[in-house]
Amino acid sequence: QVTLKESGPVLVKPTETLTLTCTVSGFSLSNARMGVSWIRQPPGKALEWLAHIFSNDEKSYSTSLKSRLTISKDTSKSQVVLTMTNMDPVDTATYYCARILGGSYCPGCFDYWGQGTLVTVSS
Amino acid sequence: DIVMTQTPLSLSVTPGQPASISCKSSQSLLHSDGKTYLYWYLQKPGQPPQLLIYEVSNRFSGVPDRFSGSGSGTDFTLKISRVEAEDVGVYYCMQSIQLPQYTFGQGTKLEIK
Repeated sequence: QVTLKESGPVLVKPTETLTLTCTVSGFSLSNARMGVSWIRQPPGKALEWLAHIFSNDEKSYSTSLKSRLTISKDTSKSQVVLTMTNMDPVDTATYYCARILGGSYCPGCFDYWGQGTLVTVSS
Repeated sequence: DIVMTQTPLSLSVTPGQPASISCKSSQSLLHSDGKTYLYWYLQKPGQPPQLLIYEVSNRFSGVPDRFSGSGSGTDFTLKISRVEAEDVGVYYCMQSIQLPQYTFGQGTKLEIK
């Protein structure tokens, strides 16, 4: 059974750095046909893709947020970590991690998602 | 960046009736590999999104056949042949041709009359 679970602070102050962890089970982060993405959703608003990482350590970032984001993984711990610097109230959102398929079947598909974690940015 | 525009932004449908959602992209989603990278997701209330359709018209595993996708180039449509109560939520189209930028539409909220 594939599961993903986000963890991290529920409240951060403006200018602080946010660190979120996605712990996965049911698949390996070393699987060549899979990766993990982070996607966020401000309250009542649309989804916004942030970053992804694949088994070969290939990383990609949203062009608008690239300077603030870092994604990494610890395969032995089955964890993917996202850091976002210089947090602002507009970054208040539910942050999701999702598995992304990279093989010939359903490439680019986010097939499993975590339940998300709401992060509020406020002083 | 490619902009995805959905219409309508909301719709209210009687159970058993059909529903249709349009998604237009600012650039063609047809890749040189011959595939068109357009996806549809449904976010039910209080839940994360779930994949419905990939590459325009392929239903993902477990998705009921009342859901269908069509279109090409820049114009796409998601159709529900007979809406059921469990179909309520927000529907999003998404493109992945312009990697690594995945872009979602603004969402279409489906309600039951």
